[in-house]
This record gives sequence, C-alpha cells and structure tokens, in this order.
Amino acid sequence: GAGVSQSPRYKVAKRGQDVALRCDPISGHVSLFWYQQALGQGPEFLTYFQNEAQLDKSGLPSDRFFAERPEGSVSTLKIQRTQQEDSAVYLCASSLGASVYNEQFFGPGTRLTVL
Amino acid sequence: DQQVKQNSPSLSVQEGRISILNCDYTNSMFDYFLWYKKYPAEGPTFLISISSIKDKNEDGRFTVFLNKSAKHLSLHIVPSQPGDSAVYFCAEQNSGGSNYKLTFGKGTLLTVNP
Repeated sequence: GAGVSQSPRYKVAKRGQDVALRCDPISGHVSLFWYQQALGQGPEFLTYFQNEAQLDKSGLPSDRFFAERPEGSVSTLKIQRTQQEDSAVYLCASSLGASVYNEQFFGPGTRLTVL
Repeated sequence: DQQVKQNSPSLSVQEGRISILNCDYTNSMFDYFLWYKKYPAEGPTFLISISSIKDKNEDGRFTVFLNKSAKHLSLHIVPSQPGDSAVYFCAEQNSGGSNYKLTFGKGTLLTVNP
C-alpha cells in the first residue's frame, strides 16, 4: 500500500498483559515516529527512529515501554505489564527525512484498551 | 504545562461561511507551524503549514495566519464545506533543535452544517 499501516487496529488487553503494536512505514522513509493520543487530547511524542537508530526516546512514559526498528523499516512498540492508564490510540508516522520540510504521514493508529 | 493551546474544543458553522480555528503557543523556540485534519478512525493528515518568517500562507480555501508577537496562529477555511467536518490539530516544530517531533494541541472539532 501507499500509506503507513498499523496492526492490530484494535487491541484489548487485561491489566498486566504484554502487548506489541506494529507499524509499517511508507517504503523508503528514513524517519519513523510513535505518538500516543489519549482520549480528548492531541497526539504526544513517544519516540523517534532514523533508520534503525533510536535517536530520541524521551517521550516514553515508563520503562515498560520499548520500541525497536531493527532493519530500519517495520517498527514495533511493546508495552509490558499494561496498566489502565496505557489505554490510548498509538499512532505511527513516517517521513522521508527529519527536517521541518518533510511531512509526517500518519497511520490509522492502534486503539489499545486495558481492562 | 501545555505548550500548544487550542482553547475551543468545538466549533459549528454553516456551509459556505468562514471557519476560524485558533491556536496559541508558549514556546518561542517553535518556528514552524502546521495544521492537521483528522477524521474518525483515521490518522491525522497534513493540511497546511507556515514558517515563522511569514505571517500568512494560503492554499485554496485554507489560509493560515501567524502573529508571532502574540504567539498566535489561526486557520481560516472559506467557504466551509460539510466535508471539512473533522478534528483540526495545531502543531509546532522547532527547526533548530529537536526539529523532528511535532507538539500538538488538543484539537478543535469543526462541524459544518449543510
């Protein structure tokens, strides 16, 4: 496909479960971002990759959150021991480069509900 | 403390009239400003942007105005169409530092009534 895809689209987890969210960026896009959007809020930055290198993880809320992009393409966001406050839509975005002139293209998001 | 504020959670306008969406920011390091549009169950899509060296940028029915002294920007949609009904997010970037990440406001839900 031409756009950013994410899977699953919806995930329900019991508190304490581990989850893994996948992002397939646009082919050839060097930069990949993860954002978290809580209900009624705007997206908030979690982490940023340039190719396979994770250059910024300052937005990850706790050490239960881990992201990887081992081959510089597909990325996975993993949340261990999920808590109710982790319930949110997780958005992935990719861009050709990392400057302000490179548009970030967003995927449809994964809606995570922790019971 | 929110760096980007969209103080109107919602706005309703009649088709054909002007929609004005507002955004305020506090961080003077921001020098690139964007508007994203979001439909339900979809990711945000880029709409229009403006650099801090300009005070206006126009693209068809969409115009963004930037008032740096007031740290305020606005998006004007003229004429508004029912298909414009969506959540609009204001976002900012700092081109000199961590220029890659976007800082978003909470969004404004625009409803255009036929």
